[in-house]
Amino acid sequence: DIQMTQSPSSLSASVGDRVTITCRASQGISSWLAWYQQKPEKAPKSLIYAASSLQSGVPSRFSGSGSGTDFTLTISSLQPEDFATYYCQQYDSYPFTFGPGTKVDLK
Amino acid sequence: EVQLVESGGGLVQPGGSLRLSCAASGFTFSSYWMSWVRQAPGKGLEWVANIKQDGSEKYYVDSVKGRFTISRDNAKNSLFLQMNSLRAEDTAVYYCAREMGGYSNIEYWGQGTLVTVSS
Repeated sequence: DIQMTQSPSSLSASVGDRVTITCRASQGISSWLAWYQQKPEKAPKSLIYAASSLQSGVPSRFSGSGSGTDFTLTISSLQPEDFATYYCQQYDSYPFTFGPGTKVDLK
Repeated sequence: EVQLVESGGGLVQPGGSLRLSCAASGFTFSSYWMSWVRQAPGKGLEWVANIKQDGSEKYYVDSVKGRFTISRDNAKNSLFLQMNSLRAEDTAVYYCAREMGGYSNIEYWGQGTLVTVSS
């Protein structure tokens, strides 16, 4: 199985900050990577697919990059509604696997 | 508007069975791969299984192989997860999800249904 890791596991930031989260796959997955946002007690929300393509309706302050084994999610200017946990997921090969998550909270 | 509404969760004893359902609306159900993803209390997301549009292909995470069965009824716009031989570690919120056309990432999520396995 492909193992996904994320760093950091948590971070504290202020509104307006630029935030970068890293996701690493244990083997190459081309660009078959998605990012999701989850707020407490809520279902996840899809943000990015194919490593860098924004889902419809997702604000442009979110961006994704990378290919192969190393990927990043960047929030260019953190907004109050962005405090949440972020997960990456590979869908290159079965079983699809998620990273452990990165919690973004208020500094 | 895409809607996915899960039902069937609840409390079940270890070794017991439960069948989850997901009612889909707002899109052509028969045109999309569908998935189940779960989240144990206070833990991260775990992909469980998915199924092709016509039900001809199904994939599972190793921990549920032989115990869980994913299925669908395209005439009723419904997705199912039959869970047998349940264990305490199956306790989780189970999300029904629609994959993106042409890709395998999840595009839409249901609100989830809680399954608790305990004596």
